[in-house]
Amino acid sequence: DTAVSQTPKYLVTQMGNDKSIKCEQNLGHDTMYWYKQDSKKFLKIMFSYNNKELIINETVPNRFSPKSPDKAHLNLHINSLELGDSAVYFCASSQETGANTGELFFGEGSRLTVL
Amino acid sequence: GENVEQHPSTLSVQEGDSAVIKCTYSDSASNYFPWYKQELGKGPQLIIDIRSNVGEKKDQRIAVTLNKTAKHFSLHITETQPEDSAVYFCAAALPNRDDKIIFGKGTRLHILP
Repeated sequence: DTAVSQTPKYLVTQMGNDKSIKCEQNLGHDTMYWYKQDSKKFLKIMFSYNNKELIINETVPNRFSPKSPDKAHLNLHINSLELGDSAVYFCASSQETGANTGELFFGEGSRLTVL
Repeated sequence: GENVEQHPSTLSVQEGDSAVIKCTYSDSASNYFPWYKQELGKGPQLIIDIRSNVGEKKDQRIAVTLNKTAKHFSLHITETQPEDSAVYFCAAALPNRDDKIIFGKGTRLHILP
C-alpha cells in the first residue's frame, strides 16, 4: 500500500491552462505539505496544512491554491500556468509539528511540464 | 528565518571508500536535523536524523554528527556501495508549528566502480 500517493505522475500542458494535482495519505498523519523541486533539484516548501488548517503559506503566486477537503487529502490547483511552473511537485505528510518535528513521508512526485 | 548551506554539490567516491557531506545552519534555535536520500524518479526518503540534544548518531554504515556551537552537521557514509548513489539533502527545523523544515540544495553522490 502506497503511504503518500499523488496523481498524476506526469502532466504536460499548455501555458495559460489550469491544472490540479491530487494527493492522498493513508498514514493517519495530521499535517500535509506541498514542495516544489526545480530542475536544479532545489526543494522548496509551498504550503502546509494541519488538520485542514493552512499553517504555512510561502511566497508563491496566488495562482497556486491548495485545498484540503479532509486531513488525508491535500490537492494543489494551479491557474494560468506559466513556463516557470515547470517542476516536480511533491506532496508529503508528517505526524507532528511544533516541538517534535517528525519525519516527512514524500509521494513519488508529479512532473509538470508547461509548453 | 533559517538558512541551510550544503557542500559539496557533487561528490564522487570509489566504491568501498567513505563519503562525507557537510551542512551549516543559521538559526541557533533549530533543534531537528534530518537527512534525506532521493533516488532517481522517487521522492526523498529519510535515512537518519538527529536532535539538538545529541552530538552523534549512527545507523549501520550511516552516521550523523552535530556541532551546535559551530552550527554545522555532517553525514558520513562508510564502505560505500553502488546503491548509495543518489541525491542527499540535509535539513534543519525550528521548534514552532509555523516553522518548516528547510532543505539544503542537495549533494549528488556518485559511487564509482
